[in-house]
This record gives sequence, structure tokens and C-alpha cells, in this order.
Amino acid sequence: EDQVTQSPEALRLQEGESSSLNCSYTVSGLRGLFWYRQDPGKGPEFLFTLYSAGEEKEKERLKATLTKKESFLHITAPKPEDSATYLCAVQAGKTNAGKSTFGDGTTLTVKP
Amino acid sequence: GAGVSQSPSNKVTEKGKDVELRCDPISGHTALYWYRQSLGQGLEFLIYFQGNSAPDKSGLPSDRFSAERTGGSVSTLTIQRTQQEDSAVYLCASRPRPGANGELFFGEGSRLTVL
Repeated sequence: EDQVTQSPEALRLQEGESSSLNCSYTVSGLRGLFWYRQDPGKGPEFLFTLYSAGEEKEKERLKATLTKKESFLHITAPKPEDSATYLCAVQAGKTNAGKSTFGDGTTLTVKP
Repeated sequence: GAGVSQSPSNKVTEKGKDVELRCDPISGHTALYWYRQSLGQGLEFLIYFQGNSAPDKSGLPSDRFSAERTGGSVSTLTIQRTQQEDSAVYLCASRPRPGANGELFFGEGSRLTVL
């Protein structure tokens, strides 16, 4: 059974204080690893897809990296508007179909 | 609109009543998913539809839960004889055709409260 574990559960940062969120996974045949951002009362919003170990993706202050066992979401010089819950998900299988398995998320709070 | 649309956005019901939640996916997306999110938790997979294939119902928690997708577009999730533990946000998502990037496009959810 596919499993995704995210840590820490909650992270409080000062504005400008860089840090990383972790996503550990076990899956048979990784098809893709996804990062989403979820604001309160909203549905998750897609951020990145990573397909193979060593791959990196960047968007503004966020950078996602992938190894064979885990993914990191690095946040550089965060701003209060980066406050949200960040969800990691994995998809397994031979085709680009089927369910994604989600972790419980990391709730990030950035104080000005 | 261009996004995934869900209704109602909020539903309060009494224990034992039946509820229906609706999802209108992005036009042209062939895959549709239902997830459930309890307070402070991650997303729990419920059911997945892909084109004309038989749906993957492996995540439905009991036979009180069912879903259908009509005409390859709109989907309805039905919960019969609701229980208090059914209280959660029910999220619908769609995905473009197989072969496209695998990210999901989510609606804003239907918040269900069972009293």
C-alpha cells in the first residue's frame, strides 16, 4: 500500500527565515510526486510535479526536490502570503491514471 | 467558469438523512475523483472515474456511499443514512486525458455537517 508521511505537522517561521518541509514516501512504481498548496476553506492548488530522483522544480520562493525515498519543499525567504497547508501526494502505476495518495500536510505560518 | 465546480458549498443534515453532492469537472477532463478531508487531516481517496472504464470504488468507506458520473461529465456522490462520522469536506477533482501531466484540479469542496 502506498504511504506518504509529511513532517513537521506545523511550522512557524519569521518572515525571511528559510526552511524545508519533508515528504517521505513508499510506493510501488512511482509515476509522479506532487506538491499542492491549500488555503483555509479552499481546495488544494497544484504547485509541482516531480517524476524521477534528482529532479528539481522551482517557482518563486519555492523549490521542490526528489530522491528515491523523499521529497523536500524548500522555502527561501518566506513571506506571510506563503502561509498555507502544503500537501504532498504520490501516484503509482504504469499509466498516468489512477488515484493519488496524499499525506496529512504541513501547516506553514509565516509571521511578519 | 473554467474550474471544477461543486455544490452545495455547505450542507447541514440530520443523522439518518440522505445527501447528494454534485461535481462539475473542467470541460474536456476525462478523469474525475472524489476525496474526503476531515478536520486537520489529509485527503482520503473515495472513488475515481476514467472515461468509460469501470470506476475504482476501492476507497468508499461503506455501502452507504455511492457515486455516479453521467455522460462522462457531471458526477454525484450520494451518502445514505448519514452518520456523524461522515462530517467532512468532500473534494472533487478532475484531470486531463491520460498522457498529460498528472496533477489534479480541485474544486473548493462541499462541507458536510451531520448533526
